[in-house]
Amino acid sequence: AQSVSQHNHHVILSEAASLELGCNYSYGGTVNLFWYVQYPGQHLQLLLKYFSGDPLVKGIKGFEAEFIKSKFSFNLRKPSVQWSDTAEYFCAVSLYNTNAGKSTFGDGTTLTVKP
Amino acid sequence: DGGITQSPKYLFRKEGQNVTLSCEQNLNHDAMYWYRQDPGQGLRLIYYSQIVNDFQKGDIAEGYSVSREKKESFPLTVTSAQKNPTAFYLCATQGQGKETQYFGPGTRLLVL
Repeated sequence: AQSVSQHNHHVILSEAASLELGCNYSYGGTVNLFWYVQYPGQHLQLLLKYFSGDPLVKGIKGFEAEFIKSKFSFNLRKPSVQWSDTAEYFCAVSLYNTNAGKSTFGDGTTLTVKP
Repeated sequence: DGGITQSPKYLFRKEGQNVTLSCEQNLNHDAMYWYRQDPGQGLRLIYYSQIVNDFQKGDIAEGYSVSREKKESFPLTVTSAQKNPTAFYLCATQGQGKETQYFGPGTRLLVL
């Protein structure tokens, strides 16, 4: 079964700092990759996703992620964070082209941005 | 407002009691999922259903049961066999061919 590892459990940054959250998965086949975000008091929602094509994907609010197949990684980046980026971030993987579609989630990274 | 409703927002369970969490969607999505979220453990899959009248166990199904009698509804029952039920429960949907999942607001279950 696939697994997802998020290296940072809690990250604290000042506004305007650059962000990189690590995500590695263990599965040798073709996968779909996701980053979800949960802002305080809000629903979990999709930030960005990778299915195929350009390994650098852009999401909402200036976030991007790069799929590096050789490293089984899908790290999330933002060049300059804002206080409003304070949230919990989850990396997820699902198997490509299956009927199940169910995703495996990482343990999450809590990002706190200090104003 | 997202098309997925979960009720109640907070639920209290007594020892030995079964409780049922509601999940309703108006997105016309085929697949529905139940996750449990614990601090520091991310989301773990309890049960999922791809079509009406069919459902599959996830990674932590013991102590839980579900039904899928209607496309719009996927209730989760937390039985007395679940010894550590205190958690935040999230329901999600997924349209056919669309791998992105959409999440409800969640239900927080507490044991008295």
